[in-house]
Amino acid sequence: DTAVSQTPKYLVTQMGNDKSIKCEQNLGHDTMYWYKQDSKKFLKIMFSYNNKELIINETVPNRFSPKSPDKAHLNLHINSLELGDSAVYFCASSQGIGSYEQYFGPGTRLTVT
Amino acid sequence: EDKVVQSPLSLVVHEGDTVTLNCSYEVTNFRSLLWYKQEKKAPTFLFMLTSSGIEKKSGRLSSILDKKELFSILNITATQTGDSAVYLCAVYAEWKIIFGKGTRLHILP
Repeated sequence: DTAVSQTPKYLVTQMGNDKSIKCEQNLGHDTMYWYKQDSKKFLKIMFSYNNKELIINETVPNRFSPKSPDKAHLNLHINSLELGDSAVYFCASSQGIGSYEQYFGPGTRLTVT
Repeated sequence: EDKVVQSPLSLVVHEGDTVTLNCSYEVTNFRSLLWYKQEKKAPTFLFMLTSSGIEKKSGRLSSILDKKELFSILNITATQTGDSAVYLCAVYAEWKIIFGKGTRLHILP
């Protein structure tokens, strides 16, 4: 009974390719997030959606485009991958906007060669 | 600029010791502060603090928030090797979530 799941867990691809990471939560939460964690374990928020509406859009290259087909899913599409995109990408969800604990998915380790 | 600073960045202690991890913040429209533990995979939630001076406790872990001085501490007593992890502090501000860089804690047997 995985609460927040991501696919794939590992992704190795070449520079210039386009790839997607999928996230699903079965907690009935309204809010979902994408985070990027670099090699030094620094976790930085990228996007947040509440009920399919974009509410947080931090400064990320526009090669990154989130899509939320429904409130249980938040996918991340990345165009023209670069070496610096290599990181672990975490999806998370919470009951609502603001001060709620977040449940994290297992992460997707993206390696761009 | 909003920021969350954790200290120390890393800490090595012996099993049985007590440790105190620090988190200071400067944000506008503070809402809450959260602590997470990250071992090999995803961060797992420990505490959420919204009010000053009220200690939250879970077993050997406890945390408190000081909204006047803008910091929080996470205490772990009688540490065990299973406490080895990166501990992350995060602050919710209006429409923002900012994580600190974490404290890497290593417990020696």
